[in-house]
Amino acid sequence: DVKVTQSSRYLVKRTGEKVFLECVQDMDHENMFWYRQDPGLGLRLIYFSYDVKMKEKGDIPEGYSVSREKKERFSLILESASTNQTSMYLCASTMFPGPPSHPHFGNGTRLTVT
Amino acid sequence: AQTVTQSQPEMSVQEAETVTLSCTYDTSESDYYLFWYKQPPSRQMILVIRQEAYKQQNATENRFSVNFQKAAKSFSLKISDSQLGDAAMYFCAYRRTVTDDKIIFGKGTRLHILP
Repeated sequence: DVKVTQSSRYLVKRTGEKVFLECVQDMDHENMFWYRQDPGLGLRLIYFSYDVKMKEKGDIPEGYSVSREKKERFSLILESASTNQTSMYLCASTMFPGPPSHPHFGNGTRLTVT
Repeated sequence: AQTVTQSQPEMSVQEAETVTLSCTYDTSESDYYLFWYKQPPSRQMILVIRQEAYKQQNATENRFSVNFQKAAKSFSLKISDSQLGDAAMYFCAYRRTVTDDKIIFGKGTRLHILP
C-alpha cells in the first residue's frame, strides 16, 4: 500500500531554533509537496518539488526552505522558527508525469513554537 | 491563478439524511482534475472521490457522489445516508494535468453529524 511517512507527529521547538520536518514516500513518486494547515485557512502550499534537487515556491514560502537530495525524501526547514509558524504541516506526493494521481498524504506534524 | 472556494465553513446534518457540500473553482485550463478529501480527527487526509474534467459523467463512490458543472466551475459533494463516521473536515482540491502539477485546496468545510 502507498505510504507517506512524516517523521514526527508532534514537535515542540523554541523560537529561533532550526527545525527540520522530514517526509519519506515509498511509491517512487516524482512530485512532493509541503502544506501548512491552519483553522479557517485550509491547506496552503509552502514548497513543492518535481524532481531531485528541484524545487519551486508555493504560496507561502517565506521563512521556509526545502531539501530534496533523494527522490523519496523531502525535508522542510525552518531556518529560525517563530511563533507564527506554529501549525500543522502536511507532506504529500503524486506521480507525474503519467496518469494523474491524487495526492497521497502523510499523517501530519503538529509543530508548536514557544 | 487558480483558486478553490468552499463557501460553507461548517455544516450539520441529521444521521441518515443527505447533505451537499459546495465547491467552486476558477481556472482558465480546460483539462484538470478535482478531488474531495476527508480529514477525520486522526488528521489523515483520505481521498473521497475524484473527477476528471474531460468526463461529463459525475463520479460516484458508494454513498458519495459529485455534481460537476464544468461551465459553472462548480464541484459539489453529496453524501447520502449520512453516518456518524462521516463527521470530518472536507476539502475540495484542484489539480492541473500538465506542467507543474500544483494542487490547490479550498479552506474546508467541517461537517457535523447529529445522532
